[in-house]
Amino acid sequence: SQQGEEDPQALSIQEGENATMNCSYKTSINNLQWYRQNSGRGLVHLILIRSNEREKHSGRLRVTLDTSKKSSSLLITASRAADTASYFCATDEAGGSYIPTFGRGTSLIVHP
Amino acid sequence: GAGVSQSPSNKVTEKGKDVELRCDPISGHTALYWYRQSLGQGLEFLIYFQGNSAPDKSGLPSDRFSAERTGGSVSTLTIQRTQQEDSAVYLCASSLATARSSPLHFGNGTRLTVT
Repeated sequence: SQQGEEDPQALSIQEGENATMNCSYKTSINNLQWYRQNSGRGLVHLILIRSNEREKHSGRLRVTLDTSKKSSSLLITASRAADTASYFCATDEAGGSYIPTFGRGTSLIVHP
Repeated sequence: GAGVSQSPSNKVTEKGKDVELRCDPISGHTALYWYRQSLGQGLEFLIYFQGNSAPDKSGLPSDRFSAERTGGSVSTLTIQRTQQEDSAVYLCASSLATARSSPLHFGNGTRLTVT
């Protein structure tokens, strides 16, 4: 099974700045999802982008998908201290099983 | 409505003992997944259920691991003869279906420590 890999592993910014996280994957996908995990908690679904979509927005979140480069980015605009969490991408392999596979995540710290 | 519930939230056990981890999915969710997360690592897929059947058990690390789901609802993950390398957070997730656009809803996990 394939796995998305997030980059950078850790990101530290000031409140109000934008945060950009990237995800690369290895084979063709049906869709890509981004999840957030606060310390000691489970993952929370943020946004799903299908393979035929290039960009999607949800509030302060903007996700892009470049299937030619097998990569996605998650942009959080005007970050807040409450955005501090780990962010994971999950991919669903085209023609494969329905099992989302996750990367190691990006740890984001937003300083107030 | 209620989310995915996992119990216990924390479990400390001695090496060699058996443990059972429980997951109560969201009502009506037919798909259920178990993942394992070690410190600072991503999620490692273990097993998933569609209804009561497990089409894919490929992620179970060894034959000491087993899982079942009854009534299309509650699932238990059993680890026999626990080893220290089994220490991790075990996460359960459910979704409406195994449709590719169904997001996963996660519980808060069971933190297992094997001493």
